[in-house]
Parts: sequence; structure tokens; C-alpha cells
Amino acid sequence: QTVVTQEPSLTVSPGGTVTLTCASSTGAVTSDNFPNWFQQKPGQTPRPLIYSTNNKHSWTPARFSGSLLGGKAALTLSGVQPEDEAEYYCLLYDGSARLSVFGGGTKLTVL
Amino acid sequence: EVQLVQSGAEVKKPGESLTISCKGSGYSFATYWIGWVRQMPGEGLEWMGITYPADSQTRYSPAFQGQVTISADKSINTAYLQWSSLKASDTAIYYCARGATTVDPWGQGTLVTVSS
Repeated sequence: QTVVTQEPSLTVSPGGTVTLTCASSTGAVTSDNFPNWFQQKPGQTPRPLIYSTNNKHSWTPARFSGSLLGGKAALTLSGVQPEDEAEYYCLLYDGSARLSVFGGGTKLTVL
Repeated sequence: EVQLVQSGAEVKKPGESLTISCKGSGYSFATYWIGWVRQMPGEGLEWMGITYPADSQTRYSPAFQGQVTISADKSINTAYLQWSSLKASDTAIYYCARGATTVDPWGQGTLVTVSS
């Protein structure tokens, strides 16, 4: 089965910029994997942020953006706020198998 | 408003059976894939499988194939996740979520505790 890999943890200063990535064991991530990104804070339900690589939901702050970068899906936070401290998960879709796989999550610390 | 509302928390003993539910509203339930996600205590999200209510197509992640049954009843806009014999290791929060390529919205989660 596909293994999806994210950075286990990252630290960023308030106001800074950070990029989280999402890699697939089967090769380059493409738009056909329809990368989704989710934010989860302790005790809360995951909140969708990005779908289909780079599309924001209506509630997604402008400082969040999605892209493909070097064969991976990427989530960039520009002008990080303290409230962005959370766990971030990517989800990749395999169209041929009609299956999806989550990455292991990135714990983002803002300090 | 598009919404998924899940059934309440459950406490079960090992070996017991269980079905939890996820009721959709505010959209055409039958024509969207609906999936289930597990989150064990202190751990990450795991995609379990997905079903298409209109024709009952279902796909399972290999890790969950044979361990659970995913189904849906389009007549009452409800998806189900079923266990025939629970194990302590099934203790987790289970989320339903709409969509295969755009996953949104999510249900509020159902906590399942399996303990003797």
C-alpha cells in the first residue's frame, strides 16, 4: 500500500513562513492525487483547509496556500499566527484503486 | 447547510458487535462518496474506506479490509460502520467525511471504547 510521508514536526516563529510537504512512496505527487490538507487542534475535529492541490475552502485564511513542489504536495503558511499551532495532515487519492491515504501528520509549533 | 451528524459515543466489551452511523443532510446524499477515518488515542488519521450510496460500491484500505463493514442506506441518508467482533485495539474516534477527492465536511466523530 502507498505510504504518505510528512515531516513529523516543524517550528516557525510568529510572522514567519513555513512549508509542509507530503510525499508518496509510489512516485511524484500530481494533481491526479487531488491533495487535501487538514488542520487538527487537540480535542477537535479535523478542519479542511485545501482541496485539489491548491483550492481553498471559504473559511481558509489567505495565509494558507497549497501547491506541488518537487514531486510533493506542499502547504505553505505565510505570516504564521500563534493560532496556527496544530497538527496538519495531507490526504492523497489513488484514482486507479479508488483509495486514499493520509500522511502521518506534521506537528507545527509556533514560537 | 451541508452537514454530517454521527451517532453518540459507545462503550463495548471485546467480542461484541457494533454499528455506528453518520447521517447526511443539505445535499444529495446518494451521489457523493462517503468515507470513514479512524483516529486512535494520541495518533494520526487513518483512512479506512469509502462507499457510494447510489450503487453501494465500497472500497477498503488494505489495513481495514475484513475488519469492518462500510455501508449506506440512501433512503434515509445514512452511512454505517460496522464491527462483528470488537477488539480493545478498536478503541478510537471514528469520523465520517463526504467525498473522495474533496473531503468535506466531516462528522463530529464517534468515540468507541472497547474494554473488558
